[in-house]
Amino acid sequence: NAGVTQTPKFQVLKTGQSMTLQCAQDMNHNSMYWYRQDPGMGLRLIYYSASEGTTDKGEVPNGYNVSRLNKREFSLRLESAAPSQTSVYFCASSELAGAGNTIYFGEGSWLTVV
Amino acid sequence: GENVEQHPSTLSVQEGDSAVIKCTYSDSASNYFPWYKQELGKGPQLIIDIRSNVGEKKDQRIAVTLNKTAKHFSLHITETQPEDSAVYFCASTDSWGKLQFGAGTQVVVTP
Repeated sequence: NAGVTQTPKFQVLKTGQSMTLQCAQDMNHNSMYWYRQDPGMGLRLIYYSASEGTTDKGEVPNGYNVSRLNKREFSLRLESAAPSQTSVYFCASSELAGAGNTIYFGEGSWLTVV
Repeated sequence: GENVEQHPSTLSVQEGDSAVIKCTYSDSASNYFPWYKQELGKGPQLIIDIRSNVGEKKDQRIAVTLNKTAKHFSLHITETQPEDSAVYFCASTDSWGKLQFGAGTQVVVTP
């Protein structure tokens, strides 16, 4: 039981390049999330998927797109990377969306945009 | 929207002493308050949570208190050990049920 697995772990991009962060969970959770973590700012929600077939914007969605490929997988795409997107990205999942549902995080993906 | 403030940003304690981290929130409708611990190079992990119908919850050396009137909640770690060194995040749910995180507290336990 691996929990939440995300790839790649580290990536360096040039400004303007595109890339996709992959995430998969094996806990049969309905809800999945993408957060970014920046120094002194905690974790900020980029996008989430309350259930398979739905996606919604979070606090900082600009510059990102997501795809809920199936119940297990939720990908995050940067179409044209900018230095401001240098961050640590965390995928997460929970059984259901909403208060009281424990959110389980992946190990993180370190992205640097030069 | 919900705003969560967390203090202090760094906390250094002697092994065996207690550590206290405080958070305030703005949305009076918030009803769920989890605490996460993040070790270096890892993702955050839930360590304890509290709901709005409870004032205090304890799990071994960690406890959380909630004051809904004042809109603040605190994490207490007693008898700190080196393995307690990590970044701790508080969070509360906004009116849509989504978590808003504090900025984090770097706790360093010195032997």
